[in-house]
Amino acid sequence: DQQVKQNSPSLSVQEGRISILNCDYTNSMFDYFLWYKKYPAEGPTFLISISSIKDKNEDGRFTVFLNKSAKHLSLHIVPSQPGDSAVYFCAALLNNNDMRFGAGTRLTVKP
Amino acid sequence: DVKVTQSSRYLVKRTGEKVFLECVQDMDHENMFWYRQDPGLGLRLIYFSYDVKMKEKGDIPEGYSVSREKKERFSLILESASTNQTSMYLCASFSTGAGRYEQYFGPGTRLTVT
Repeated sequence: DQQVKQNSPSLSVQEGRISILNCDYTNSMFDYFLWYKKYPAEGPTFLISISSIKDKNEDGRFTVFLNKSAKHLSLHIVPSQPGDSAVYFCAALLNNNDMRFGAGTRLTVKP
Repeated sequence: DVKVTQSSRYLVKRTGEKVFLECVQDMDHENMFWYRQDPGLGLRLIYFSYDVKMKEKGDIPEGYSVSREKKERFSLILESASTNQTSMYLCASFSTGAGRYEQYFGPGTRLTVT
């Protein structure tokens, strides 16, 4: 039973527009959430994280929002660029050492 | 700027063979992980380790074992490889330093079991 779910396997947006990637989780004990980006034939790279005690964290073009009551988080990329095209994984951390991932969403940013 | 390395990028093994996947990190992280990535399933946790000689099962430990004899090295062992273990294997280490949570991945090992 997956504790972290990304229900959209793919997303396509136009360059310059906003990309919104969604993630849901089931375990209310998760205390930290992270987003990763993965290009083919490479390992995932860390993008941005958020503590469960916060509801927003921003880093440049990337913003993560956390809605604890809905057990939902989202990653906003504004403005989207063609180089952002990749697979994005949402991850949740439990007890500082147990990390679970979603299935990933493939983002395509069209020029 | 090497952080996490894996012993092989590509590996082809026969059914029934014993397979060792090695992972080394140079950041002095306590936590290390092994995942496998399959289409439509994302990254699934096989095992993780929070200290030397300590290990915990993840979501899919069956058919795998791990070894952590030194802090920087975390090995994944397939005792008797099977075709359903054909996958991309990703190792990662994890830091909670300075209140920031970051996880670094190796480049992955694509294992094919024939």
